[in-house]
Amino acid sequence: EAGVTQFPSHSVIEKGQTVTLRCDPISGHDNLYWYRRVMGKEIKFLLHFVKESKQDESGMPNNRFLAERTGGTYSTLKVQPAELEDSGVYFCASSQDVTRPRAETQYFGPGTRLLVL
Amino acid sequence: AQSVTQPDIHITVSEGASLELRCNYSYGATPYLFWYVQSPGQGLQLLLKYFSGDTLVQGIKGFEAEFKRSQSSFNLRKPSVHWSDAAEYFCAVADYKLSFGAGTTVTVRA
Repeated sequence: EAGVTQFPSHSVIEKGQTVTLRCDPISGHDNLYWYRRVMGKEIKFLLHFVKESKQDESGMPNNRFLAERTGGTYSTLKVQPAELEDSGVYFCASSQDVTRPRAETQYFGPGTRLLVL
Repeated sequence: AQSVTQPDIHITVSEGASLELRCNYSYGATPYLFWYVQSPGQGLQLLLKYFSGDTLVQGIKGFEAEFKRSQSSFNLRKPSVHWSDAAEYFCAVADYKLSFGAGTTVTVRA
């Protein structure tokens, strides 16, 4: 069974440009999460999808970040325009059961390393 | 609000020696606790989790963790470390979303 995949693995862009990160969850997983780790800090929650619906986007830093989940399958996270402080590693995770999400194991992708210059 | 503290940023241990990583949590109800490991270039991999029941939890790769409610702790242990255990370890508490500690980097010396 394929795990969570993320694309690209690395991205280097200049301040003001746009970047789109993609996450493909494990097939059949209805829960999809985005997290971010800024250098030297903890991994922080960004948002949570159940199928195609946003359940919680309380961790999104500001309106320069836009997440979508097309048809309840893959998800994209767009940063527009990117700022220096957006640099970090963006992780995607998925889990299966929406009825007891606390107990479910979240399976993580390898992350996308974003550097904004 | 839930939170996790990992007091040790970096630990160096000799191969074959025992390892203990500390984790303290803050959560109002029964915590759902996890330990993840991230090896270089890899994503986070689940080592073990605790929801209820036996407070000593066995995980993969020979790791175990003990839940102590009185101390609000969930420390991770391994009796004999292998060079491949060099990685960054994260403790997390779940409220459907995970709240992570800052991570502990483990270096294994020969």
